[in-house]
Amino acid sequence: QQPVQSPQAVILREGEDAVINCSSSKALYSVHWYRQKHGEAPVFLMILLKGGEQKGHEKISASFNEKKQQSSLYLTASQLSYSGTYFCGTEMGTSGSRLTFGEGTQLTVNP
Amino acid sequence: GAVVSQHPSWVICKSGTSVKIECRSLDFQATTMFWYRQFPKQSLMLMATSNEGSKATYEQGVEKDKFLINHASLTLSTLTVTSAHPEDSSFYICSARDYSEGRGGYTFGSGTRLTVV
Repeated sequence: QQPVQSPQAVILREGEDAVINCSSSKALYSVHWYRQKHGEAPVFLMILLKGGEQKGHEKISASFNEKKQQSSLYLTASQLSYSGTYFCGTEMGTSGSRLTFGEGTQLTVNP
Repeated sequence: GAVVSQHPSWVICKSGTSVKIECRSLDFQATTMFWYRQFPKQSLMLMATSNEGSKATYEQGVEKDKFLINHASLTLSTLTVTSAHPEDSSFYICSARDYSEGRGGYTFGSGTRLTVV
């Protein structure tokens, strides 16, 4: 079951903030976030394993609401290097181990 | 950190021929690897799960006789696209997880851009 991401696209000016949402109709074991630049492979950003647990680094963080089966990725004070397509990936069931990606959110950060 | 190597990075082949793509975990062992396909401006679609020492598990709608997967060792999985046709042209990416670092994320290979002419 493919998770649903929103918005489909975001355009920011450097320094602005953005939130990307990911939701599932089924119970989740974990939520992953990846960033992919054009023509390249996705790069792992973070994983969220427990309900309500937030993990992140620098100015990119995320939350996971296990009850609502939703996750949000927060990008604060965006930098030009943040541009790319962000995918959430979900593992379902009680043990995970099979990652299904959302449709992606194209983020463009302009000077 | 975990590294996954994928070769070739691009390949052009004639319609009807077969193409083999290799995926290697360089610094960790992977009993399971995953193969994805990505069309332009679309998401990564899981094709199959490659299992070391046993048959691959294919996603619904993926032809197992067309996309042959072999997981020969704990560090190597191969995807062979048999009798390739232009509609098979796509970006193929493999991934694996290094469980020695706990339940972290998946590491992806650099991808293979397949063009069938």
